[in-house]
Amino acid sequence: ETGVTQSPTHLIKTRGQQVTLRCSSQSGHNTVSWYQQALGQGPQFIFQYYREEENGRGNFPPRFSGLQFPNYSSELNVNALELDDSALYLCASSSPTGSSYNEQFFGPGTRLTVL
Amino acid sequence: AQSVTQLDSQVPVFEEAPVELRCNYSSSVSVYLFWYVQYPNQGLQLLLKYLSGSTLVKGINGFEAEFNKSQTSFHLRKPSVHISDTAEYFCAVSAFEGAQKLVFGQGTRLTINP
Repeated sequence: ETGVTQSPTHLIKTRGQQVTLRCSSQSGHNTVSWYQQALGQGPQFIFQYYREEENGRGNFPPRFSGLQFPNYSSELNVNALELDDSALYLCASSSPTGSSYNEQFFGPGTRLTVL
Repeated sequence: AQSVTQLDSQVPVFEEAPVELRCNYSSSVSVYLFWYVQYPNQGLQLLLKYLSGSTLVKGINGFEAEFNKSQTSFHLRKPSVHISDTAEYFCAVSAFEGAQKLVFGQGTRLTINP
């Protein structure tokens, strides 16, 4: 069983640029959540996708957007990058089990540095 | 809305000593409770979770946590730590309803000294 993978591992961008981060969910999982983890902080929820539809969003501006594809992989897009966007971006996948709790499995993250 | 407070940003302990990492939470709705561990340059790994039932939950690597509803706490404990336990530990909650987003605390850096 393949776990959650993310690409790239890290990248460097400059202020004002746009970036796309990618996530492949664990086999059989149809839900993907994205989190931003700034240095020295806990992860913060950005949004969640379930069967290609946004299924909840945290307190992030619209320049943070996402997509989920039919194979349940996902992209996080950030436009007009700001210095404060520098962080580790974590993707987590899960699959509804019929109960109210579905464990989220995390990928290794993408480290984004904005200069 | 939910919030999580980890009361210690850093905890240094000697190898084979016991440790407790403290976590308090606030929520207007019922929540599930979690502890995650993050090793350097890695993602998050679930240590243990409280969903319902017994308030003492056991997790991986010898860790356990106790849910105290009246004190809204979920402290993590290990009776004897090892060098390999050096990592960042995050307490998190998730509401019963909705998108099941995880709300994390700021993290506690556990450092084990030989």
